[in-house]
Amino acid sequence: EAQVTQNPRYLITVTGKKLTVTCSQNMNHEYMSWYRQDPGLGLRQIYYSMNVEVTDKGDVPEGYKVSRKEKRNFPLILESPSPNQTSLYFCASILSGKSTDTQYFGPGTRLTVL
Amino acid sequence: AQKITQTQPGMFVQEKEAVTLDCTYDTSDPSYGLFWYKQPSSGEMIFLIYQGSYDQQNATEGRYSLNFQKARKSANLVISASQLGDSAMYFCATGPYSGSARQLTFGSGTQLTVLP
Repeated sequence: EAQVTQNPRYLITVTGKKLTVTCSQNMNHEYMSWYRQDPGLGLRQIYYSMNVEVTDKGDVPEGYKVSRKEKRNFPLILESPSPNQTSLYFCASILSGKSTDTQYFGPGTRLTVL
Repeated sequence: AQKITQTQPGMFVQEKEAVTLDCTYDTSDPSYGLFWYKQPSSGEMIFLIYQGSYDQQNATEGRYSLNFQKARKSANLVISASQLGDSAMYFCATGPYSGSARQLTFGSGTQLTVLP
């Protein structure tokens, strides 16, 4: 089954404790991205990756890092989480189509930073 | 830079009636795409419908249609014959290239509640 998986699905942590949210897709997609969702703000892109070893900042990259060492994986790293990073995080990958892309979202990771 | 405005934080509709969710956009890109996603209470993001800036006809997908008015920069979602399962958050989004879902800018969303 074609899917994007994220782990963990829920995480409660404390300020300053480094964490990684993993994202994996089994569709051999080149493009992957991370979004955060906050009430009243919708989804905002954090980072995206066009391919292995090619990453770039989205609209809200501060406080986050990413890496793309393999095509299937795109982990999101919070080296020193702060309470303002409490949010719902979505990973997504894109199948580029002839006329329209198809975006596959992961199930989301709900992060609380105390 | 793109911007999406959804002015209806919450909407109510009676089951079996039609409902329109508003979306206006602002972009300087000559070519762009408009997307609608549904997010049920379970949290996943579900793609509903897409409209390209050069598409002459309004997009339709089953009970969903996109009322695209380019001059007004609006891309409203119309859901016909609402069902209880349509209760969800709905997001409008735009991307910088027609057909591309990369680097989407999302609106703040509209919470739709379908009443029995």
